[in-house]
Amino acid sequence: LAKTTQPISMDSYEGQEVNITCSHNNIATNDYITWYQQFPSQGPRFIIQGYKTKVTNEVASLFIPADRKSSTLSLPRVSLSDTAVYYCLVGEGYGGATNKLIFGTGTLLAVQP
Amino acid sequence: GAGVSQTPSNKVTEKGKYVELRCDPISGHTALYWYRQSLGQGPEFLIYFQGTGAADDSGLPNDRFFAVRPEGSVSTLKIQRTERGDSAVYLCASSYQRGSTDTQYFGPGTRLTVL
Repeated sequence: LAKTTQPISMDSYEGQEVNITCSHNNIATNDYITWYQQFPSQGPRFIIQGYKTKVTNEVASLFIPADRKSSTLSLPRVSLSDTAVYYCLVGEGYGGATNKLIFGTGTLLAVQP
Repeated sequence: GAGVSQTPSNKVTEKGKYVELRCDPISGHTALYWYRQSLGQGPEFLIYFQGTGAADDSGLPNDRFFAVRPEGSVSTLKIQRTERGDSAVYLCASSYQRGSTDTQYFGPGTRLTVL
């Protein structure tokens, strides 16, 4: 399972775009990149998953360069309610042999008014 | 629809006591996971069920921890002879296990405090 490295914390202001980068130098061929969001006193919530290039959904975009050794979660026009911890995970997708999610310490995003 | 639910939401116990934590997964989800989260850390995998059987229990810290899922739905995490170091939030997640992009849905967790 690939180890991930991401910033411990980030600050932003309402309305700004936030980009959180995750390093995963030993990502394997079968590995997917997944991001989760966690608010205090709640369980993590799936945000987005990708394998290569770019993935976009209604809440975020995920940019993955060709070498896949890093990825960037992009949150457009953040609001105060986006203040949370964001986790980058790398593993064999949900149908992989391991199935378990390996979380790091995450990035605490603090959005100021 | 209803999400993953966990009971109790908070549990305070004394060192050496036995506790049970319950997880009700989303209806129809065949896979169920338990994680443990300490303050300031990400969740740590404990055990994974596929149906009624434990497919991977490699994350259970020692033999004081045990989990069951007798009918392939509700699961109970059991901790014997609790220690202060067991204090954490215990999270349960479930998924359909239909394919490679399956998503794990987490419950709110049970906060266990061992005095």
